Amino acid sequence: KAGVTQTPRYLIKTRGQQVTLSCSPISGHRSVSWYQQTPGQGLQFLFEYFSETQRNKGNFPGRFSGRQFSNSRSEMNVSTLELGDSALYLCASSLVARSGGVYEQYFGPGTRLTVT
Amino acid sequence: GQNIDQPTEMTATEGAIVQINCTYQTSGFNGLFWYQQHAGEAPTFLSYNVLDGLEEKGRFSSFLSRSKGYSYLLLKELQMKDSASYLCAVRDSDAGNMLTFGGGTRLMVKP
Repeated sequence: KAGVTQTPRYLIKTRGQQVTLSCSPISGHRSVSWYQQTPGQGLQFLFEYFSETQRNKGNFPGRFSGRQFSNSRSEMNVSTLELGDSALYLCASSLVARSGGVYEQYFGPGTRLTVT
Repeated sequence: GQNIDQPTEMTATEGAIVQINCTYQTSGFNGLFWYQQHAGEAPTFLSYNVLDGLEEKGRFSSFLSRSKGYSYLLLKELQMKDSASYLCAVRDSDAGNMLTFGGGTRLMVKP
């Protein structure tokens, strides 16, 4: 079974631009979560999507948005980029339990975004 | 909100045993995960605890005490390839089962 894939793997943008990152989950996984990872802040939760609906949102400004498509693929968008948005953006997918249980998340390789 | 604490760095010797601790505070605990992350790579799942006690998986074991808000990851027979960051993460049912990660513990295994 193919793992989580993310595109692009590396990206360089300038301040003020916007960027869209893509994530394809493991086949059969309907939950997709996005994280930002920086050396100073560690791994921080951005948002989670399930069945094309945002289920949870972390503490990030409205410049960060996302969506999920009917095939469970997900995109995240960052508008008006700032230098501080330079980070590794990780996508993770998981199965969804029917009755309150949880499943482990499987991470993609990430997109390394550099804002200059 | 949640607060998850782990030591920032640890060093151990090849062949030895090391214990990485994680303490947490959460209102709706619904499971604790350990992930391993090698430099420049994505985190990979190691273990999951939701009930008190020890879960063993080969050289790796994870322990949970819900009453103490405490977990540890035990690595036995350390190998050089175990040099990595180890991330503790907690799910909170009061926050839609959102997964919150600790800052990670960078483990260096020396010969």
